[in-house]
Formats: sequence, structure tokens, C-alpha cells
Amino acid sequence: AQSVTQLGSHVSVSEGALVLLRCNYSSSVPPYLFWYVQYPNQGLQLLLKYTSAATLVKGINGFEAEFKKSETSFHLTKPSAHMSDAAEYFCAVSASQAGTALIFGKGTTLSVSS
Amino acid sequence: DADVTQTPRNRITKTGKRIMLECSQTKGHDRMYWYRQDPGLGLRLIYYSFDVKDINKGEISDGYSVSRQAQAKFSLSLESAIPNQTALYFCATSDLRTLNTGELFFGEGSRLTVL
Repeated sequence: AQSVTQLGSHVSVSEGALVLLRCNYSSSVPPYLFWYVQYPNQGLQLLLKYTSAATLVKGINGFEAEFKKSETSFHLTKPSAHMSDAAEYFCAVSASQAGTALIFGKGTTLSVSS
Repeated sequence: DADVTQTPRNRITKTGKRIMLECSQTKGHDRMYWYRQDPGLGLRLIYYSFDVKDINKGEISDGYSVSRQAQAKFSLSLESAIPNQTALYFCATSDLRTLNTGELFFGEGSRLTVL
């Protein structure tokens, strides 16, 4: 079975500061990992995904994440926060095989102050 | 127009009423899902379907049923709504013909309030 744990339900940063959102996963088989973003009153959209190719994955809007098997982690980072990054972020995992739905973490709300 | 369309977008109903949330997609995907979102709990899987003849329970299927009327349509029903089913419901799709990574494409959500 797969699961993800997002550390910190709320993260606050200043504009221009580093963004770090933490995600740890559990999976009995090699995982596929995702970060999704949800802006207020909208659905979820994909930020980036890891599918067993490069361990450092670059996504949209300057975000990136690194898959670390030894630490079972897939933390999301952005070097410099922008006000428009304020949103809720979800880490998700699926097993790298057919017939598996995504399992989501509980989400981390990112606040960005000027 | 949205590729994944949910109706209604907002609904207020009373305890005991039957409610249907509908989802249609124009992406041509074979897989469809229903999730519910609650504050602090993230998204939890209710039901999913990998083709018209395939229906699978997710982690929180009790109190819900689904129907896959066609490849493009997947509806969620609450036979007798109760207040703790108040939530934001999302329909999503994915395509087996891609890398089979499980990437999802979401609708804009249906906000249901049960009084």
C-alpha cells in the first residue's frame, strides 16, 4: 500500500525567500510521485511528477523536487517565493504499475507575505 | 470549455435527500475518479473506474455509489445525504495510454452542503 505524509499543514514565507514543502512517502513498490497545486476556488493542477527518470524534477512556475529513495522523500522547493505562489499544495503517490489510483497527502497551505 | 466538467458546481440539500453529482469529460480518457476534499484531510478517494465495466471502491466508499454510463460520464450518488458528507467533491480522469503514471486531470469541483 502507498501513503504520503506532508510535514507541516501551513508554511509561511516572505516574498523572495526559499520555499520548502516537505513530503515523505511509503510504498511497497517503486513509486510515482506528484505535486499538485490548488489555487483558491479552483481545482488541482499538476506542478511536477517523478516517474523513475531523473531524480531532480523541474516543474512549472520555477518549482522543483528531488526524489531521495534513501530518505523516502520528495520535497518541493522554489528558490524565491512570489505572492502568486500562495496556494495549497498536495503531494501524491501511485504505484508504478497499472491499476493504481493516486493517494494524496493532507496538503500544505503556503502563505507568502510582502 | 473545460475538459472535465462537473455539475452542479454548488448544491445545498437536506439530510435524507438523494443527490447526484455528474462528471463528463472530453479528453477521451478511460479512467475516471471521484475524490472528496475536506479541510485538513486532503483528498480522499471515493470510487474509481478504469473502463465502463469496471468500478472500484476507494478508501471512503460507504454512503456513496457510482455509475459509469459511458466512457465520458461518471456520476456519484448519495442515496441518503447526511451532514458529514458536506465537502468539496472532485472528479478526475487519467489515460492508460500515456506513461501509465497515474497523472490526474481534475474538474473544478462540486461543493455540496448537507443541512
